Amino acid sequence: DAGITQSPRHKVTETGTPVTLRCHQTENHRYMYWYRQDPGHGLRLIHYSYGVKDTDKGEVSDGYSVSRSKTEDFLLTLESATSSQTSVYFCAISASQGPGPYEQYFGPGTRLTVT
Amino acid sequence: SQQGEEDPQALSIQEGENATMNCSYKTSINNLQWYRQNSGRGLVHLILIRSNEREKHSGRLRVTLDTSKKSSSLLITASRAADTASYFCARGAGNNRKLIWGLGTSLAVNP
Repeated sequence: DAGITQSPRHKVTETGTPVTLRCHQTENHRYMYWYRQDPGHGLRLIHYSYGVKDTDKGEVSDGYSVSRSKTEDFLLTLESATSSQTSVYFCAISASQGPGPYEQYFGPGTRLTVT
Repeated sequence: SQQGEEDPQALSIQEGENATMNCSYKTSINNLQWYRQNSGRGLVHLILIRSNEREKHSGRLRVTLDTSKKSSSLLITASRAADTASYFCARGAGNNRKLIWGLGTSLAVNP
């Protein structure tokens, strides 16, 4: 497995509380991604990063923010958690040498429940 | 939706049989990728086929791409119980940095 870890692996939180999920990689890859996976919707991109302090929105970014202060860490924050954000969250990384195309490598996922 | 569509949504076969999954998409691509997801785990990359390629093999996997029909298929030959998983196609477009994902095919291989 690619060196990607996610923490926490499981979390239950209450509506309205802020939540931060962490993705850590040991591969020194430039690109990092946050997805959510829900039944009937497949994988949807929340945000991605193309370098330290360089991030961009995906298709479902409302209610989420990200930060990347180091190459190895990509944080996803739910500013005020809602029940609709109950999901499984996956982090992914991809290589950056040359024009590509590139495959993505996934972390084990974080199961988040908002009550 | 920009998502691709896989069919069938679910497939159940016996060990030793072949499994074929299809993926269709609507807009142009520069590559198409297939991933596997075992229950409760992250996705694992299986194979990537570029838009100028028609067929690719990797072990028991065979992927075809027909850009004129905007479709791809994944064939798993001589299936095993361990192949039980969900299989997703993802298409790359534009700057190759983002993937658009299908909804997946759930494969059950019965021993």
